Parts: sequence; C-alpha cells; structure tokens
Amino acid sequence: GNSVTQMEGPVTLSEEAFLTINCTYTATGYPSLFWYVQYPGEGLQLLLKATKADDKGSNKGFEATYRKETTSFHLEKGSVQVSDSAVYFCALTRGTSYGKLTFGQGTILTVHP
Amino acid sequence: DSGVTQTPKHLITATGQRVTLRCSPRSGDLSVYWYQQSLDQGLQFLIQYYNGEERAKGNILERFSAQQFPDLHSELNLSSLELGDSALYFCASRDSGTDTQYFGPGTRLTVL
Repeated sequence: GNSVTQMEGPVTLSEEAFLTINCTYTATGYPSLFWYVQYPGEGLQLLLKATKADDKGSNKGFEATYRKETTSFHLEKGSVQVSDSAVYFCALTRGTSYGKLTFGQGTILTVHP
Repeated sequence: DSGVTQTPKHLITATGQRVTLRCSPRSGDLSVYWYQQSLDQGLQFLIQYYNGEERAKGNILERFSAQQFPDLHSELNLSSLELGDSALYFCASRDSGTDTQYFGPGTRLTVL
C-alpha cells in the first residue's frame, strides 16, 4: 500500500537557520505530494503541493521538489522564523484512491529567537 | 480560514456514550473526508463521501458511522465510546479542480 515516511523529530532551530525536513514515499504510479502545517491548537493548512515529477511547490519561503527517482519530497526553507514553529506533515494521494490522503507521522519544528 | 466548519470544537463524554460530530464543506465542494488524529496512530483516514454517497473507507471502526446529507454537510457518529477513541477528528473537503483538501479546525473528543 501507499506510505509516507518523515524524518524523526522534534527539530529545534535558531531563528534564520536553514530548515530541511525529509520525506520519502512508497506508492505505485504517480502520486500527488503535499506538505501540510498544523499550528498549535489549529487544524491542518495546505503549505504546498506538487503533482508530477520535478515539479517544485513553494509557499511562504518553503519549497519542496517532487523527485521520482529518489521517491522524495523534502521540505526546505532558507531562513526560519519563530512563527514557523508548528507540526509539518508530508502526505500523498493516488488517483485511484478517491483522493484520500496518506500522511507521514509529522515533524515538530520549534524555532527559538 | 479554510471555509470548512466543524462543530463542536470540544466534546467531553463518558465511556459507552454516543456522540455526533458535524462538518460543513466549502461552498462548491462535493467530497467530504473524515480523519482521526491520535498520538499513537497519527493522522488516519476514516471515510469519504461524495455528493451523498460513500466512496471510500479506511480504518474506521464498526462502532463509527457517517453520512452526508443533501445539503452536503456530513456527520460522523461515534458510539459505544472507549477511552482509546479520544482524539482529534478532522473533516476536509476537496476541491476536485486542484485535487486539494481543505481541513476544518477539528473536534477534540475526550472520553473519560
């Protein structure tokens, strides 16, 4: 079946540091890939997405590139802020799965001033 | 604001009881998905409805059921509640044009 594996957390960084959160997936065919963010006490918000190989999703300074050869979709940001502290989820959907999302386990990011 | 609404925000109840969680999708979205978020299981897909019909089932217990009404709002019914059912329950609606799901704020269920 489909699965998503994220790097183990939590991740703690200082403000303006570089962020990478690794995400790899297992799926047949060509899934769509997503990063969702969950701020404390809130629901999930779509951060970015990519629907085909070599696509780059970007939003709010975050980027992720769909790499089919390595089945990866790593999240990066060049300079994190305290306000980026949240839980980040990598997820995928497959065209034959009626759009249901399969999520990774989530990575807690804490950014200190 | 995603445009997806869920009520109630919090629910505290006792073991053996039954509760109903409600979700209203974004205007124009026909699909509704229910997910459960717990510490031990993470985020798991429960069930999907499309325009009133059940489309897909995930790891949903037999004690749980759902439906989608003609006005497209959906309800998730949880019965014979157990301590382990304590979790955050999210509803999402899907924009079929962009294949993107938008999540509601969730209902936090606590079973005592």
